[in-house]
Amino acid sequence: DAGVTQSPTHLIKTRGQHVTLRCSPISGHKSVSWYQQVLGQGPQFIFQYYEKEERGRGNFPDRFSARQFPNYSSELNVNALLLGDSALYLCASSLREDSVYGYTFGSGTRLTVV
Amino acid sequence: GQQVMQIPQYQHVQEGEDFTTYCNSSTTLSNIQWYKQRPGGHPVFLIQLVKSGEVKKQKRLTFQFGEAKKNSSLHITATQTTDVGTYFCAVRNAGGTSYGKLTFGQGTILTVHP
Repeated sequence: DAGVTQSPTHLIKTRGQHVTLRCSPISGHKSVSWYQQVLGQGPQFIFQYYEKEERGRGNFPDRFSARQFPNYSSELNVNALLLGDSALYLCASSLREDSVYGYTFGSGTRLTVV
Repeated sequence: GQQVMQIPQYQHVQEGEDFTTYCNSSTTLSNIQWYKQRPGGHPVFLIQLVKSGEVKKQKRLTFQFGEAKKNSSLHITATQTTDVGTYFCAVRNAGGTSYGKLTFGQGTILTVHP
């Protein structure tokens, strides 16, 4: 059974551009969350989706948006990229909304903004 | 939201020595989760603790939740080179908005010298 799949694995963008990151959760998992991890820090919560509805939003600007599709896959969009958006973007899936059994993280998308 | 402080930031040990990382909060925690992130990798769920004074073991790893539920620790006995990585504690929101949100500590980077 496949784990959490994220694409692309690496991405280089220029300031001001837009980026779309994709995530496929573990089969049967209905909750998908997005985290940003800057080098040397713990992951920071961006969004959570459960059953295609937004269930939570972290302290990120409106340039960040996301959605979840009927097959439970998800996209994270970031507009007007800034240098400070350079980070590892992690997708995490769980069976339930409240992750009582822990989250399964994907390998992440390494975004570099130049 | 709930915040956790993790110490130490770095720990260098000789192979075979023990290792402990601590996670502290000024408020009572409803739960604590522990994750391991290998260099260049993604966080991997280790365990969740929810009960006051709870102790759980996984082979050489021992996890504790304080009696007051304000602190937790991860202890590794007789470290091996495979234990290298960053260990994070994380608190899951217990209710309200962002129900499944994880708030991570800063992590403890463990290096093991053979």
